Amino acid sequence: AQSVTQPDIHITVSEGASLELRCNYSYGATPYLFWYVQSPGQGLQLLLKYFSGDTLVQGIKGFEAEFKRSQSSFNLRKPSVHWSDAAEYFCAVGARNTGFQKLVFGTGTRLLVSP
Amino acid sequence: NAGVTQTPKFRVLKTGQSMTLLCAQDMNHEYMYWYRQDPGMGLRLIHYSVGEGTTAKGEVPDGYNVSRLKKQNFLLGLESAAPSQTSVYFCASSYSMGSPNQPQHFGDGTRLSIL
Repeated sequence: AQSVTQPDIHITVSEGASLELRCNYSYGATPYLFWYVQSPGQGLQLLLKYFSGDTLVQGIKGFEAEFKRSQSSFNLRKPSVHWSDAAEYFCAVGARNTGFQKLVFGTGTRLLVSP
Repeated sequence: NAGVTQTPKFRVLKTGQSMTLLCAQDMNHEYMYWYRQDPGMGLRLIHYSVGEGTTAKGEVPDGYNVSRLKKQNFLLGLESAAPSQTSVYFCASSYSMGSPNQPQHFGDGTRLSIL
């Protein structure tokens, strides 16, 4: 079975500074990997996903993530954080089975943006 | 362009009461999922469905029942609510024929409190 670890519960970043959120996964084969963002009182919005191919994935809102098989990681990055990026971020791993995604989510990282 | 719609958005129940949460999707997705979100635990899969008329247990199914009588609807039932079921519930859907590798789309959640 797959599992996901997000080691940072909270992260505070100054507006304009760069951001990296960590995600480590455990899965026996090449997984599906996702980053979702959740704003307060809202559902989850997909930021980006990795299925195959290029290991550097571009997403919405200026986010990117890099799949590193050797480190079992899929860290999320953004070069310059905006105040509107304050939210909770979830990494998820899915077992490969065409169409069906039995996702396992990490416990989330809450991003705070300071002025 | 509604996507995934959850009804109701908020509900307060007394211990022992029953209720049904409704999820509706208009994307012709085959697969639907119910999650619960609790502080510090991320999202955990309660039940899921791989098609009309089918359901299966997820990670935390006890105390819940589900039904998928119509492809677009996925109902989550609590027969006898318990305080431990106080949570935010999210519905998601995925997979259209011809577009298998698509991510899950989430509703905005139902905030349920059991007193």
